[in-house]
Amino acid sequence: GAGVSQSPSNKVTEKGKDVELRCDPISGHTALYWYRQSLGQGLEFLIYFQGNSAPDKSGLPSDRFSAERTGGSVSTLTIQRTQQEDSAVYLCASSSAPEREQYFGPGTRLTVT
Amino acid sequence: AQSVTQLGSHVSVSEGALVLLRCNYSSSVPPYLFWYVQYPNQGLQLLLKYTSAATLVKGINGFEAEFKKSETSFHLTKPSAHMSDAAEYFCAVMGGGADGLTFGKGTHLIIQP
Repeated sequence: GAGVSQSPSNKVTEKGKDVELRCDPISGHTALYWYRQSLGQGLEFLIYFQGNSAPDKSGLPSDRFSAERTGGSVSTLTIQRTQQEDSAVYLCASSSAPEREQYFGPGTRLTVT
Repeated sequence: AQSVTQLGSHVSVSEGALVLLRCNYSSSVPPYLFWYVQYPNQGLQLLLKYTSAATLVKGINGFEAEFKKSETSFHLTKPSAHMSDAAEYFCAVMGGGADGLTFGKGTHLIIQP
């Protein structure tokens, strides 16, 4: 079946612009996660959605980052007023239940110039 | 708080030789443990997981890992390395109420012909 998909695969933006990254989880998966992968910080957990519950936002690096999940399915990660340090690969993952294995998408490579 | 330590940012083995990638974790509760592999410009692929059912876990591509509570370790092994095993390997832990995975910094596996 279809895996986790993310779009766009690459995004180049100018400093100060807003960007939206999209994640389509595996059908039927109730849990959805966002991570950031960068050379300096490795893999960092950002935010987690379980069904339609309010997410735990404590992992988001700043208030410029926000995420939503509509209808318990598709999720959008928004970064406002992008900075160069936001350049990274943003990975989305989904699982059938919390603490089950997570399946990752191919990621969105964000470059802030 | 949880943490994962992967010893050796780079490991080089000859084709056909034993692969051993080390992972030690810190968790206040019995953890869920995972190994993921990442090929260049791709997302993370699950190799195997430990969820307390058995201490020796077999995964895909001939890899296996043994959970040793007394040593807080979850080392990844493969009896005979293949050129296609060259990739970045990540150990990860989940548990103790944490919502997302905590990853180690990764080990780059190099296979010498």
